[in-house]
Amino acid sequence: QKEVEQDPGPLSVPEGAIVSLNCTYSNSAFQYFMWYRQYSRKGPELLMYTYSSGNKEDGRFTAQVDKSSKYISLFIRDSQPSDSATYLCAMSAYLPGAQKLVFGQGTRLTINP
Amino acid sequence: DTAVSQTPKYLVTQMGNDKSIKCEQNLGHDTMYWYKQDSKKFLKIMFSYNNKELIINETVPNRFSPKSPDKAHLNLHINSLELGDSAVYFCASSQDLFFGNTRTEAFFGQGTRLTVV
Repeated sequence: QKEVEQDPGPLSVPEGAIVSLNCTYSNSAFQYFMWYRQYSRKGPELLMYTYSSGNKEDGRFTAQVDKSSKYISLFIRDSQPSDSATYLCAMSAYLPGAQKLVFGQGTRLTINP
Repeated sequence: DTAVSQTPKYLVTQMGNDKSIKCEQNLGHDTMYWYKQDSKKFLKIMFSYNNKELIINETVPNRFSPKSPDKAHLNLHINSLELGDSAVYFCASSQDLFFGNTRTEAFFGQGTRLTVV
């Protein structure tokens, strides 16, 4: 079993829809949770960062963390064709010698005009 | 002004060859990484270096040898290439090791698409 599980999709929705992307994880030491966006043929870029449980909002994007369920989500409101990309969740734990990002497989998202 | 740049962008080579990928960052970061992304988009860490010191070696075959001549560069040399090495290799950097710090965002290069035939 992978440390971080993410449905690879693909997920296709109409423009303006609310998109929900999710990851589950097994390592209870994870405390820092991130979402990266990766456009085709490009490197990932950080979209959202959350520490521990709770919500964080940035424009049309909301990240949620539920540590008790080991479940994180990214919501995209009023989705735009420019949001079409692969979204990767990533997480890390504060452990000596283990400072690394562990990624989910990524969900490929297409927003149709 | 590219923050993390890697060369080449594409690399096609035959099995058994030796090849290198170069990476440079101009962000003044202390920490650099190599990640491998397979055909299913799964991104997995291979190595990390902090101030030229190897921090993480994630059970990568010893045919892969990273070299960090200085903080701004982390190169990846691969010996005796195999078909299974075909993937996209990403270099990344961060200000320091600790991803809990909001300053510590990992910046990725555009990737090197390696195809072994």
